[in-house]
Amino acid sequence: NAGVTQTPKFQVLKTGQSMTLQCAQDMNHNSMYWYRQDPGMGLRLIYYSASEGTTDKGEVPNGYNVSRLNKREFSLRLESAAPSQTSVYFCAVRTQSNTEAFFGQGTRLTVV
Amino acid sequence: DQQVKQNSPSLSVQEGRISILNCDYTNSMFDYFLWYKKYPAEGPTFLISISSIKDKNEDGRFTVFLNKSAKHLSLHIVPSQPGDSAVYFCAATPWTPLVFGKGTRLSVIA
Repeated sequence: NAGVTQTPKFQVLKTGQSMTLQCAQDMNHNSMYWYRQDPGMGLRLIYYSASEGTTDKGEVPNGYNVSRLNKREFSLRLESAAPSQTSVYFCAVRTQSNTEAFFGQGTRLTVV
Repeated sequence: DQQVKQNSPSLSVQEGRISILNCDYTNSMFDYFLWYKKYPAEGPTFLISISSIKDKNEDGRFTVFLNKSAKHLSLHIVPSQPGDSAVYFCAATPWTPLVFGKGTRLSVIA
């Protein structure tokens, strides 16, 4: 039982390159989230999907796109990476309101 | 505009003493509050939560207090242990996304 799995764990990109961060869950939870963590900034919501087939913008969506492929998978795409997108990205899942969210181990992305 | 504020970036406490981490919120629609703990190179892990219908919730060494009139919650760790050294995030939610504070780095000194 892996819970929430993120791939890759580390990535270095050149400015302008594209990539997709993958998140998969085996917890059968409805809601999935992408957060980024930057020093002194806490965890900021990029995009979320309350249920399969829906996605919504969070606090910092610019420069990102998402796809909720099915109930298990929620991917985050950077079409043209910028140094400001250097961060640690976390995927999280949650079953409903008034419950905790479960996080993946994170993807450390560096854009040079 | 920060809806969840953790005004102390860091806190140092001696082993065995009490650690008190504070969190303030501005959105009166928040009705469920959580604390997460994060070690370096790991994802945040859930620690304890409280519903707005309660003012206290305990789980072993961890107690969360909620003061709705002041829009303030706190996490008490008693006794503090070196393994508690981590970054602690406060989070709140009225609906599906969790809103996080910036975190407080706790250092427990042996």
